[in-house]
Amino acid sequence: AQRVTQPEKLLSVFKGAPVELKCNYSYSGSPELFWYVQYSRQRLQLLLRHISRESIKGFTADLNKGETSFHLKKPFAQEEDSAMYYCALSTSGSGTYKYIFGTGTRLKVLA
Amino acid sequence: NAGVTQTPKFQVLKTGQSMTLQCAQDMNHNSMYWYRQDPGMGLRLIYYSASEGTTDKGEVPNGYNVSRLNKREFSLRLESAAPSQTSVYFCASRRGTGSYEQYFGPGTRLTVT
Repeated sequence: AQRVTQPEKLLSVFKGAPVELKCNYSYSGSPELFWYVQYSRQRLQLLLRHISRESIKGFTADLNKGETSFHLKKPFAQEEDSAMYYCALSTSGSGTYKYIFGTGTRLKVLA
Repeated sequence: NAGVTQTPKFQVLKTGQSMTLQCAQDMNHNSMYWYRQDPGMGLRLIYYSASEGTTDKGEVPNGYNVSRLNKREFSLRLESAAPSQTSVYFCASRRGTGSYEQYFGPGTRLTVT
């Protein structure tokens, strides 16, 4: 079964502390994984894609196929990082392209 | 460009009433999607349209119908609303083959009493 698991509903950290938002997936094919973010009163938007292996707003995420994980990390959290974060797995077949989203983790960065 | 737009922003329905949520995109994207967002459930795909003229069921299609009116517009209809359909509904679009990013609308907050 295809599934994305985000075990933490809420993660609170102090400003300047490291952040790790966990994401585990279940998929029999070659996974393509993403992190989407939703800031307060804003639209859901793409943050990271695993293939690009880039750092966006200081966030990085590495795909670990052995552990089937795609955790999102940032060494020093900022207050503006407070948002809802969703991990997503893309599936494709028969020419379609769909996402399976996790349940989301709300990150609160405390001053 | 407005990107993905949704109307209405808020709606309150009584059980059994019907309504249509409208979605439009001005990015010439081929694929469009409807999701619902519920606390603790994340985003779940209701229906999607891979290209103009095609629609397919997602994870939670029961109680909904869709129409891909043209390339720009993808509507979601609730024929007989139920309290379980109280949710925030998001429309998204994607350019098509070779493109992975979905662009989301602002959402419609629907309450069914």
